[in-house]
Amino acid sequence: AQSVTQLGSHVSVSEGALVLLRCNYSSSVPPYLFWYVQYPNQGLQLLLKYTSAATLVKGINGFEAEFKKSETSFHLTKPSAHMSDAAEYFCAVSVANFGNEKLTFGTGTRLTIIP
Amino acid sequence: DSGVTQTPKHLITATGQRVTLRCSPRSGDLSVYWYQQSLDQGLQFLIQYYNGEERAKGNILERFSAQQFPDLHSELNLSSLELGDSALYFCASSKGLAGTGEQFFGPGTRLTVL
Repeated sequence: AQSVTQLGSHVSVSEGALVLLRCNYSSSVPPYLFWYVQYPNQGLQLLLKYTSAATLVKGINGFEAEFKKSETSFHLTKPSAHMSDAAEYFCAVSVANFGNEKLTFGTGTRLTIIP
Repeated sequence: DSGVTQTPKHLITATGQRVTLRCSPRSGDLSVYWYQQSLDQGLQFLIQYYNGEERAKGNILERFSAQQFPDLHSELNLSSLELGDSALYFCASSKGLAGTGEQFFGPGTRLTVL
């Protein structure tokens, strides 16, 4: 079974500063990894995904993540935080299994941007 | 807009009642997933249907059931509701053909049990 650990349930950064949200995964087979963002009172929107191609993945809104197999990590970064980045971020893992690709989510990290 | 629709957006009901949540997947997606989001449990996978058949079960209570219809829309039925069932229920869809596993989420149904 796969699992995800997100370090830090709350992260605060100043506007313009680097955003770093941490995610470590556990999977017995090669995983697919995802970052989703949830704005207040909204559903989940896919930021980016790793599906065994390039290890550095670029997503929407200037976010990127690097898959590091040796560290079993998939941390999310953005060079310069914007006020609109304030939201909850979820890391998720799934495995390639025909027709059965449930997502296992981490507990989420709430990102606060300080003006 | 993900292309996944869910109705209703909000639902307020009493303990012991039964409700039905509805989901329409993106055009062309064969897999539908249901997730529950609550403060104490986080985001939990409930159940998956693929082209009308149940494919995977997660932490779904026996009081809950789901189905996927020939037109691929899905319904989640919650019965004998308890206060602890209050949560945000998401539906997601994917092509479900061992692709990248990417799922597209609907806006959710917020269930409040009083």
